[in-house]
Parts: sequence; C-alpha cells; structure tokens
Amino acid sequence: GAVVSQHPSRVICKSGTSVKIECRSLDFQATTMFWYRQFPKQSLMLMATSNEGSKATYEQGVEKDKFLINHASLTLSTLTVTSAHPEDSSFYICSARGTANEQFFGPGTRLTVL
Amino acid sequence: AQSVAQPEDQVNVAEGNPLTVKCTYSVSGNPYLFWYVQYPNRGLQFLLKYITGDNLVKGSYGFEAEFNKSQTSFHLKKPSALVSDSALYFCAVREGGSSASKIIFGSGTRLSIRP
Repeated sequence: GAVVSQHPSRVICKSGTSVKIECRSLDFQATTMFWYRQFPKQSLMLMATSNEGSKATYEQGVEKDKFLINHASLTLSTLTVTSAHPEDSSFYICSARGTANEQFFGPGTRLTVL
Repeated sequence: AQSVAQPEDQVNVAEGNPLTVKCTYSVSGNPYLFWYVQYPNRGLQFLLKYITGDNLVKGSYGFEAEFNKSQTSFHLKKPSALVSDSALYFCAVREGGSSASKIIFGSGTRLSIRP
C-alpha cells in the first residue's frame, strides 16, 4: 500500500518554543491531509483537515493560531506547534488521502514539551 | 454528525479462543467502516475495511469483521486468538460518497490475550 512518512518521529522541546512536524506522502499525491492527536491511552482526535493550496479547516476547540497547518504541495503537509506548553505533549499522527479516496496513516510523532 | 462507539475498554481472551471486539456506528449516509490496530508507541496499522459488497470482510492477520446494517454494527472477530494480537484496536467510520468526509475514530479497545 501507499506510504506516509512523518518527521521527526520523536521531538523534545522547551516550553515556549515552536516545533514543526512534517508529513509526506511518498508514492502518491495527497489531495487532502488530516492531522490527529492522541493522548496516552486515548483515541485519535481529529484536529484539522487540509487541502492542498487552501487553508486548513480546524475542528471545534482546536486553536488555529497555535497549531499552524500548511499544505503547500500534494505530497507535503506541515504542522507547527507554536509556543509549545507541556499540555501540548502528545502523539501527533497525520493521514493522507489521494485521488483514489484511500486514506493512509503516518507512523506518528511523539512530542514532549518540557 | 457521524460517530462510532466501542463499548468495551478492554477485552480479555485466552489464547486459542475466539475473540470479538465490538463496534457500533452512526452516520447519515452510507458508511465506510475500518478497523485499525496500534501497538505501543506506534502508528496505526490498517486491518480491514467495509465499503460495499459482502457483509463479511476479511483482513490482515486472520481478522474479519461483519457489517450489520440493521444493528449498525461492525464487530471485529478472529476464530483463534494469539498472544501477539494483544494491542489497542480502533474502529473508525467515514461517510461514504463524499470526498470531503473525514474518518472518525472510536475510543479504542485494549485486547489482552493470555497464554
């Protein structure tokens, strides 16, 4: 099946700094990408949906100024956590959907904010 | 709005016995249904999906799921459990027929297989 990669797989940062997470579709063009977050022992919660070349659509309760999403190309979306706080520590998973309407998930990025 | 429920936080089964992980869904249109498995500190692995066709769907690692429209259920099953099946399982739903629809996940069920 298609492959979605995320970089980095783990990141530790200090409170107040910004962190960028990349999501790439490696062998298909992703017209839509999704960002999820998962707290320990909990389910995946959809944060936002992004379509290539347009602004992301955020789910209720997700701060768009804190979680900046850029989907500049059909193979790359980035999530930037700005002014990170310890409560932002979580497992962030991206997902990419291509023209065939199949959806594939990345391996996740574990963010720890000290 | 679409939703999916996994009523059991944990399911415990002895190795070699059949297992069932329950899932019910709610969606306004035709449902696309999925099961994923997650091992500790890892991403999601796709197990199987129902889009259309036969109600019994066969997937990876010997798992299968049965789509029941009248009961709005999509329970995951396996005839003979393995210790290595111990993991976190997520049921997910997406409204079919719309390229803009999103996948929503259930709360997850932790499956524990004892030797």
